[in-house]
Amino acid sequence: KAGVTQTPRYLIKTRGQQVTLSCSPISGHRSVSWYQQTPGQGLQFLFEYFSETQRNKGNFPGRFSGRQFSNSRSEMNVSTLELGDSALYLCASSAGHFGNYGYTFGSGTRLTVV
Amino acid sequence: TQLLEQSPQFLSIQEGENLTVYCNSSSVFSSLQWYRQEPGEGPVLLVTVVTGGEVKKLKRLTFQFGDARKDSSLHITAAQPGDTGLYLCAGSGSARQLTFGSGTQLTVLP
Repeated sequence: KAGVTQTPRYLIKTRGQQVTLSCSPISGHRSVSWYQQTPGQGLQFLFEYFSETQRNKGNFPGRFSGRQFSNSRSEMNVSTLELGDSALYLCASSAGHFGNYGYTFGSGTRLTVV
Repeated sequence: TQLLEQSPQFLSIQEGENLTVYCNSSSVFSSLQWYRQEPGEGPVLLVTVVTGGEVKKLKRLTFQFGDARKDSSLHITAAQPGDTGLYLCAGSGSARQLTFGSGTQLTVLP
């Protein structure tokens, strides 16, 4: 059974640019959540999608957005990149809502903004 | 806002020693999960506990959920270098999201 696949693994962008990250969940999982992980803040919740609908959003500015497709694959977009957006972005899929029964995480996308 | 506090933040022990990591909150959670994360990888789910007072054992790891479902602990017996990693607790509750603790970085020295 394939795990959660995130692409790309590494990304270097310049301030002001935008970036799109991709996540393919485990087959059959309809919930996809995104987290930002930094050394200072730990894992911070970005948003959760279930059946193409955003079910919840964390406290991030509107520059952070996402979407989910009919095959449950998800993308997140960050526009007008800032240095502080450098982080490991993690995608997680689950069978249920809100991670009640646990998440399966991908390996993450390491974003560096210079 | 539901917050989870983990302690200690860092732990360095010798192989064979025992240790306990704590996860505390003032909020009630419907379930509590523990993850382990290694450098450059995503967290891996170790266990989910859902009933107050529940104790689960996974080989040398023992997980306990507090009676009031506000706290949890992870106890490792006879730690091994392979146990090295970042241990994260995470709670699911009224916030409609999984809230993570700040993590405990465990290093087991051979």
